[in-house]
Amino acid sequence: GENVEQHPSTLSVQEGDSAVIKCTYSDSASNYFPWYKQELGKRPQLIIDIRSNVGEKKDQRIAVTLNKTAKHFSLHITETQPEDSAVYFCAAVGLGGGADGLTFGKGTHLIIQP
Amino acid sequence: DSGVTQTPKHLITATGQRVTLRCSPRSGDLSVYWYQQSLDQGLQFLIQYYNGEERAKGNILERFSAQQFPDLHSELNLSSLELGDSALYFCASSVASRTSGRGTDTQYFGPGTRLTVL
Repeated sequence: GENVEQHPSTLSVQEGDSAVIKCTYSDSASNYFPWYKQELGKRPQLIIDIRSNVGEKKDQRIAVTLNKTAKHFSLHITETQPEDSAVYFCAAVGLGGGADGLTFGKGTHLIIQP
Repeated sequence: DSGVTQTPKHLITATGQRVTLRCSPRSGDLSVYWYQQSLDQGLQFLIQYYNGEERAKGNILERFSAQQFPDLHSELNLSSLELGDSALYFCASSVASRTSGRGTDTQYFGPGTRLTVL
């Protein structure tokens, strides 16, 4: 089945700086890669997603890049703000295992220092 | 608010007991997914239903089962509970299923049920 590795596990950046979180996946047939933000005790909230026919997608301060050859994708947050502090999860959907079940990375705890 | 509802919010029970978690998907969504989140295992996919039928299984234990009813709400049944089953259980929904021919749709998560097994 699919396996997703996520780095780093903790990321501390100064307010206003950029943050980058990287993920790799194992199933070359995977074709959908969402990113979720989760605040303590709350539900995961989708912040951006990308499908395998697109290399990059941007939504205001958030962007995701996908490299299918290398099987990795990254989340970029620019001009970070205190409200960006949360745990971020990458995920992938592969054809093996669950048909549409998301396989998640272990999460990155993003800390925005004032 | 994602439009996905889950009840109850919190559940405290004892080892060996059986509980039922309930989920109502967003209006119009046919697929329901169950996920377990724990410190040890992270966020794990358990099972998916599409329009009343089981579509896919993930890391779901044999002690756990689920079903989706004609009105599309879903229930996750957890039996012979163990201390290690304590976790947050999330339900998510999406419009369709990849196998329905629509491709992979966005999954929206409910607020979760926090299960504590004592």
